[in-house]
Amino acid sequence: GAVVSQHPSWVICKSGTSVKIECRSLDFQATTMFWYRQFPKQSLMLMATSNEGSKATYEQGVEKDKFLINHASLTLSTLTVTSAHPEDSSFYICSARDRRESGELFFGEGSRLTVL
Amino acid sequence: GNSVTQMEGPVTLSEEAFLTINCTYTATGYPSLFWYVQYPGEGLQLLLKATKADDKGSNKGFEATYRKETTSFHLEKGSVQVSDSAVYFCALSDSGNTPLVFGKGTRLSVIA
Repeated sequence: GAVVSQHPSWVICKSGTSVKIECRSLDFQATTMFWYRQFPKQSLMLMATSNEGSKATYEQGVEKDKFLINHASLTLSTLTVTSAHPEDSSFYICSARDRRESGELFFGEGSRLTVL
Repeated sequence: GNSVTQMEGPVTLSEEAFLTINCTYTATGYPSLFWYVQYPGEGLQLLLKATKADDKGSNKGFEATYRKETTSFHLEKGSVQVSDSAVYFCALSDSGNTPLVFGKGTRLSVIA
């Protein structure tokens, strides 16, 4: 089946630094990828929709200058958390829709960010 | 807009007990319905899905039937195991390139 890979799976950084998380679709092309954030013991919150070759569409309340999303190719989207602070610590999950599989999203393993 | 409502947890069951996790939805049109599972420390995995009314999705002993008349997609398993302990998310998707809409998740703990 389709696989989506995220890297890194764990990252610890100091406050004020920037962290980049990659999301790759390994065996299919994904024109659209979605980035979610999951708070402890809570559901997934959609952050943004990333379209290949165009600017990401951010959900209300998500700072686009804080969470930079780039979808440079049909198999790669990146999320950069800029000037990270402890409140940015969270579990970030990407997903991609295989154009051949109507409606089904494939999820990455998630990336746990801890900002000290 | 579209929304998914699922029963709040946590749900704690003994091994071999019967499981039901309720899920209802609100949507325009005819969405596809999904159950995702998140094991501790991991990302989401698709558990099962149904794309049209009266379809039954099944996997690993879990089942859910797409009930248009009651706008429901309840998850059931006849005999749970300790390894089923996880968070279960009900979700829906319209056709096209829209993201999934998730329920809040239900944490299941199965004790031996």
